This record gives sequence, C-alpha cells and structure tokens, in this order.
Amino acid sequence: NAGVMQNPRHLVRRRGQEARLRCSPMKGHSHVYWYRQLPEEGLKFMVYLQKENIIDESGMPKERFSAEFPKEGPSILRIQQVVRGDSAAYFCASSREPGGREAFFGQGTRLTVV
Amino acid sequence: AQSVSQHNHHVILSEAASLELGCNYSYGGTVNLFWYVQYPGQHLQLLLKYFSGDPLVKGIKGFEAEFIKSKFSFNLRKPSVQWSDTAEYFCAVISGGATNKLIFGTGTLLAVQP
Repeated sequence: NAGVMQNPRHLVRRRGQEARLRCSPMKGHSHVYWYRQLPEEGLKFMVYLQKENIIDESGMPKERFSAEFPKEGPSILRIQQVVRGDSAAYFCASSREPGGREAFFGQGTRLTVV
Repeated sequence: AQSVSQHNHHVILSEAASLELGCNYSYGGTVNLFWYVQYPGQHLQLLLKYFSGDPLVKGIKGFEAEFIKSKFSFNLRKPSVQWSDTAEYFCAVISGGATNKLIFGTGTLLAVQP
C-alpha cells in the first residue's frame, strides 16, 4: 500500500524558470492538499483539490502559482517564473474523505531557486 | 486569525529523559488537534490526534498528549525518550468551519543524545 508519492524529492531551478511538482495520492484517495514550508516556519496550507476541481485555494499566492488534479494522473503544483523566495519544501497530503482530518502526507519536494 | 504556537524550537535530551513539548492554539471554538513527526528524510507521520472524548490521548511509539481546553493547550509527552525519537515534531489544529486546513506550528527539533 504505497503512501503519498511526491516527485521530484529535490528540484533546483534558476530564477525565471518554471517548477512543476507532482503528487500521486494514496490509492482510493480523491482529495489532495498542498502545503508549503518556508525556512524556520511551519507548514502553511496552499490549496485543496478534489478530482478536476479546486475546492479551496485561499492559501495560494495570487500570481505565478497554480494547481490541478486531473481525472487521470497526479496532482501538479506549478510555479511560473520562480524567484528566490519560492525556495521551500512543498508537501502534498491526500485523504479518502473530504477535509484534512484524515490526511496522509508525502515526503515533500524541496525546491531551491538559484 | 487562528494560530498555533510551539514554544520550544530546539530541544536536546539524553536517552531515558522525559519529554514534554508545548503547543498552544488561539481558536476558541471546536478544534481537532494533531501531533505529527518527521524523521530525517521521511514523510510527515501522524503521532496522535484528538477529536473529542478523553482529553488524554495515546499515540504511537509511546507518545501521549493532553488536551486542556481552559489553557488552549495540547502538549506532547513521552516518559522516556530514545535516540530513535530524534526528529522534528509539529503540532497542528483544524478549527471550526475551516475543516480543509491544518494550521501548523513552527515545529520543534528534538535531538536525543545516546
């Protein structure tokens, strides 16, 4: 029973490039959540998606960030034109039922912008 | 805005010492409370959770936490730590109607010396 799989584990991008982070939820889970952990801070909620729908994006920066969870395939968090301040660990979680109470987390993707 | 405070950022203990990590939250209504642990290089793993009922919650690996409503606290305890408990510990809350979002504290890095 594979857990939540995130790839890549580490991603290095130059300023101005695009970053694509992938999250495959646990089998049977149709709810995905993305969190970001900046240095010296706790995890901060970004977005909650259900298959093909964005349910809550209240934590997403207004520009350059987008997320999707298509009918087939992993959830993608996309960051366009990355800046140094985007360097962080990005965690994905998934759940079978709606809401974050029974969510399982992946290992995270550490994004470094140089 | 709801917030979670973890008072200790770094804790160093010797094996067999007792552990107590503080966690306070700011929300006054119904809360669900969690402690997560992240071992080096691994995913965030649920240690224990409180939804309702007995305020003393027992989790995995000998950890327990006590919900004290009057103090808005959910401190994590373990009577005797082991070297393998070296990890980062996060307290988190889901509050009121915001059931999609876990609100995390900044984390406590625990180092257990053999």
